[in-house]
Amino acid sequence: GNSVTQMEGPVTLSEEAFLTINCTYTATGYPSLFWYVQYPGEGLQLLLKATKADDKGSNKGFEATYRKETTSFHLEKGSVQVSDSAVYFCASYTGNQFYFGTGTSLTVIP
Amino acid sequence: NAGVMQNPRHLVRRRGQEARLRCSPMKGHSHVYWYRQLPEEGLKFMVYLQKENIIDESGMPKERFSAEFPKEGPSILRIQQVVRGDSAAYFCASSPNQDRNQPQHFGDGTRLSIL
Repeated sequence: GNSVTQMEGPVTLSEEAFLTINCTYTATGYPSLFWYVQYPGEGLQLLLKATKADDKGSNKGFEATYRKETTSFHLEKGSVQVSDSAVYFCASYTGNQFYFGTGTSLTVIP
Repeated sequence: NAGVMQNPRHLVRRRGQEARLRCSPMKGHSHVYWYRQLPEEGLKFMVYLQKENIIDESGMPKERFSAEFPKEGPSILRIQQVVRGDSAAYFCASSPNQDRNQPQHFGDGTRLSIL
């Protein structure tokens, strides 16, 4: 079947710390992979994507690499800011559907 | 605002009433998706529609829930005889086509509260 599993939160980091949020997927076929970010009271916004193995998606200092061998798409950022505080969702897209992880809440403290 | 528009942002209903949630996709997008987000959970796919057609409703409860995307006007998610368990945030997303490389663009959601 198709599913996405991501690291449970909440995660609390100090400003300028290194961030990793783990995400693994199961899929029948070769999905496209996405990270979305959700700020309080808002909908999901696309953060980055990768559509095939070894692709690296990047945006706003965040990066994730599509690893087919480990079926993973871990999100990383070298130095987080307070404004990065949000809920992050990993997702795969195959067939007609997106499959979302349960979300990881990140709080960055000054 | 050229993004996905959902209204109302907040909707309060009493048990047994009907809830109607509206979604206007981004300009040029003909594919609409509805998701439900329960507290502390991720998004769960409900239904995928194109203009005048339901393509995939495998995530939608068989009873009380229905969705449409008419030729003119917004997509509507309708919940009849609401119950407390229907309390959730409902998100609509749209895309221009079914290309797997195309991300979906999300609205800000409708937060449904059942008294």
